[in-house]
Amino acid sequence: DQQVKQNSPSLSVQEGRISILNCDYTNSMFDYFLWYKKYPAEGPTFLISISSIKDKNEDGRFTVFLNKSAKHLSLHIVPSQPGDSAVYFCAASADASGTYKYIFGTGTRLKVLA
Amino acid sequence: DTGVSQNPRHKITKRGQNVTFRCDPISEHNRLYWYRQTLGQGPEFLTYFQNEAQLEKSRLLSDRFSAERPKGSFSTLEIQRTEQGDSAMYLCASSPDRGGWTEAFFGQGTRLTVV
Repeated sequence: DQQVKQNSPSLSVQEGRISILNCDYTNSMFDYFLWYKKYPAEGPTFLISISSIKDKNEDGRFTVFLNKSAKHLSLHIVPSQPGDSAVYFCAASADASGTYKYIFGTGTRLKVLA
Repeated sequence: DTGVSQNPRHKITKRGQNVTFRCDPISEHNRLYWYRQTLGQGPEFLTYFQNEAQLEKSRLLSDRFSAERPKGSFSTLEIQRTEQGDSAMYLCASSPDRGGWTEAFFGQGTRLTVV
């Protein structure tokens, strides 16, 4: 039962253009969402988060949008840079769990072409 | 360096052997998590500690797996009688307890290969 889904395993974008990574979830109890970036042979690195009381959060080149009615979130990177090439995971958590554990999607590999 | 530290980085073991991994979280982070990641998958939750108390264990954590966090500082994850299906990257993460959601900081992981 995959509660967090990233349906695009890979994405290629030209340098300077916008990268849009998508994530869908099924558990309506999720109320906190995060995006992590992962380079090979390293652990995931936190990028940006959003609480369910918001529909947008921005940090520099990174913006996360949350559509609760559609159970969908997306990460926008603009402008994309070659150093952004990595695997991106979205993760979600439910306050009711009491442990703040995160459920991760399967990841999207982003390649930014110079 | 004050990040999450995991040792060893790589471990190759024969099927049936026991292995133990260590995680040193960021100082003063009360919350500690263990995750497992296999190829093509996202990290899967294994277990969670709040200080020294193990508050949740995933059903993925069979009775061959045990985790401890004595004194609420470092943590160990032991796998007994390893099987080839245990081959994966084992990730540790920690986060501060500020009474709500905070991002978790991950270590570089321990890659286990069971031959």
